[in-house]
Amino acid sequence: DGGITQSPKYLFRKEGQNVTLSCEQNLNHDAMYWYRQDPGQGLRLIYYSQIVNDFQKGDIAEGYSVSREKKESFPLTVTSAQKNPTAFYLCASTPGTSGDGTDTQYFGPGTRLTVL
Amino acid sequence: AQSVTQLDSQVPVFEEAPVELRCNYSSSVSVYLFWYVQYPNQGLQLLLKYLSGSTLVKGINGFEAEFNKSQTSFHLRKPSVHISDTAEYFCAVSIQTGGGNKLTFGTGTQLKVEL
Repeated sequence: DGGITQSPKYLFRKEGQNVTLSCEQNLNHDAMYWYRQDPGQGLRLIYYSQIVNDFQKGDIAEGYSVSREKKESFPLTVTSAQKNPTAFYLCASTPGTSGDGTDTQYFGPGTRLTVL
Repeated sequence: AQSVTQLDSQVPVFEEAPVELRCNYSSSVSVYLFWYVQYPNQGLQLLLKYLSGSTLVKGINGFEAEFNKSQTSFHLRKPSVHISDTAEYFCAVSIQTGGGNKLTFGTGTQLKVEL
């Protein structure tokens, strides 16, 4: 079955530590996205990538970093510079890179990060 | 920039009753509109989307939505809800940018279906 996998499902981190969230897709999609979800705030875009070796900042990129070395993988690193990292993180992908706004985004199951 | 407003954070409804979840948007350019559903501790799943053409859009699980350009609304409706419809529903918009299919989400509406 094609889809998006995120691991781990739950992640605990001590303050001051960097942590990397995994996102893998076997849909052969070109574009991938990372969102942060907080209660009552909806989803906010952190980073997105339309093509391998290229990515752009979203609305809340501070304290986060990404890489896109392979088409199927888009890992997100939450650094110690992120002041309030406890949240639910969602990865998504879309088939095309046209950016015409019509593509459906397909979401992974999410990773819940808790900073202790 | 575009924005999305979902005025109702929670909507309780009895099983088999009709429901409407409200969504209003703001944009200076033409938009595409989406409704996604999220079950607890899961990712989002597309319910339906409006790109062009007929303003009444039918989606999965018996849901439908109507695009109203003059009122800048895209309300989601279901004539008879089921317990399994209990979830959080997100309205989202995108615009034609040529720079990625970026979505702007509303804050969500929690639908709670009761017996």
